Amino acid sequence: DIQMTQSPSAMSASVGDRVTITCRASQGISNYLAWFQQKPGKVPKRLIYASSSLQSGVPSRFSGSGSGTEFTLTISSLQPEDFATYYCLQHNSYPLTFGGGTKVEIK
Amino acid sequence: EVQLVESGGGLVQPGGSLRLSCAASGFTVSSNYMSWVRQAPGKGLEWVSVIYSGGSTYYADSVKGRFTISRDNSKNTLYLQMNSLRAEDTAVYYCARDSDGSSVNYFDYWGQGTLVTVSS
Repeated sequence: DIQMTQSPSAMSASVGDRVTITCRASQGISNYLAWFQQKPGKVPKRLIYASSSLQSGVPSRFSGSGSGTEFTLTISSLQPEDFATYYCLQHNSYPLTFGGGTKVEIK
Repeated sequence: EVQLVESGGGLVQPGGSLRLSCAASGFTVSSNYMSWVRQAPGKGLEWVSVIYSGGSTYYADSVKGRFTISRDNSKNTLYLQMNSLRAEDTAVYYCARDSDGSSVNYFDYWGQGTLVTVSS
């Protein structure tokens, strides 16, 4: 099974900050990686697919990069509505695995 | 418009059974891979099971032998039969379109979730 190690698990940031979240796969997954945002009590929302493709309707301040085993989600300028928990998902092979999540809180 | 609507959650005693349903509209369940994902209270997301368009199924080790995923093509509905339930199965269960076979359309549609609580 592929393990997804996501870091950090939590972070405090200010509006306008640049935020970077990382996911590391225990083995190569090509670009079969997606990023999701989840707010409390809400359904996960896909932000990025295929490692770096932006979901339609998602603001361009979100971007993804990486291939193989190292992946990054970047928020270029954090907005108040971006405070949430973020998860990566590897879709290379079953069982699918999510990262442990990164909770982005207001500093 | 694509919609996934789950139902069937509730309170069940340890060792009991429950069947979750996920009614789809706007696309054909049997033409897609469909998955169940769960989230225990205050915890992260955990993939549970998938049914391929061809009908093959796959399960997480944590539910293998206890849960069964299926679908009714005539009703365009996905199911999750959960037996021998344990306290650690307590979670919100989401159905999601896993994939349409492309490298683009995966986990793009999710249901609203249904809460399963296993407790005596």
